[in-house]
Amino acid sequence: DAGVIQSPRHEVTEMGQEVTLRCKPISGHDYLFWYRQTMMRGLELLIYFNNNVPIDDSGMPEDRFSAKMPNASFSTLKIQPSEPRDSAVYFCASSFGTEYEQYFGPGTRLTVT
Amino acid sequence: LAKTTQPISMDSYEGQEVNITCSHNNIATNDYITWYQQFPSQGPRFIIQGYKTKVTNEVASLFIPADRKSSTLSLPRVSLSDTAVYYCLVGDERGSTLGRLYFGRGTQLTVWP
Repeated sequence: DAGVIQSPRHEVTEMGQEVTLRCKPISGHDYLFWYRQTMMRGLELLIYFNNNVPIDDSGMPEDRFSAKMPNASFSTLKIQPSEPRDSAVYFCASSFGTEYEQYFGPGTRLTVT
Repeated sequence: LAKTTQPISMDSYEGQEVNITCSHNNIATNDYITWYQQFPSQGPRFIIQGYKTKVTNEVASLFIPADRKSSTLSLPRVSLSDTAVYYCLVGDERGSTLGRLYFGRGTQLTVWP
């Protein structure tokens, strides 16, 4: 298996622009997680899905952030409009049957200028 | 709001055994203890999970005392490639998933030649 796939790997955008991050989980996994990592706050869980249904989005920082999972093999995290404080590495992870043993993707490094 | 407490950093030399202790005084009865490892520019990787006593796999051992208020990740004979951030995850009294998946900042382990 190719593991969790994320795209793009790097994204540089200007403040106010819409940003869409993409994730393909490992085939057969029923949990999908979106995280954000910064030096200041460490690794934070934003939202997670189980069987394509959002279960808990209380980690999403504000309404500018939204996430969807239209099918078992694809998820997006959208930021609209983006702000410089959104600059971070965003990770997607997936797991099967449990929330604990997760497999992380390589991450998307987002820079908002 | 800290759910776990770990040392910010640790140093060791190649060939030594390293023990990283995590405090989790508010661990709930049903919660497991999970450890992850993160190398620079990569997503975290699941290492080991346990509930009580001792768990061992090919990578590490996890020691959990009877009161479960702490746990110790033991890495035998570390090498330079074990230099990474190590995260301890447990639940909190709320029982929410976001509480169980609180990574925080972890422990930066640096192994010297």
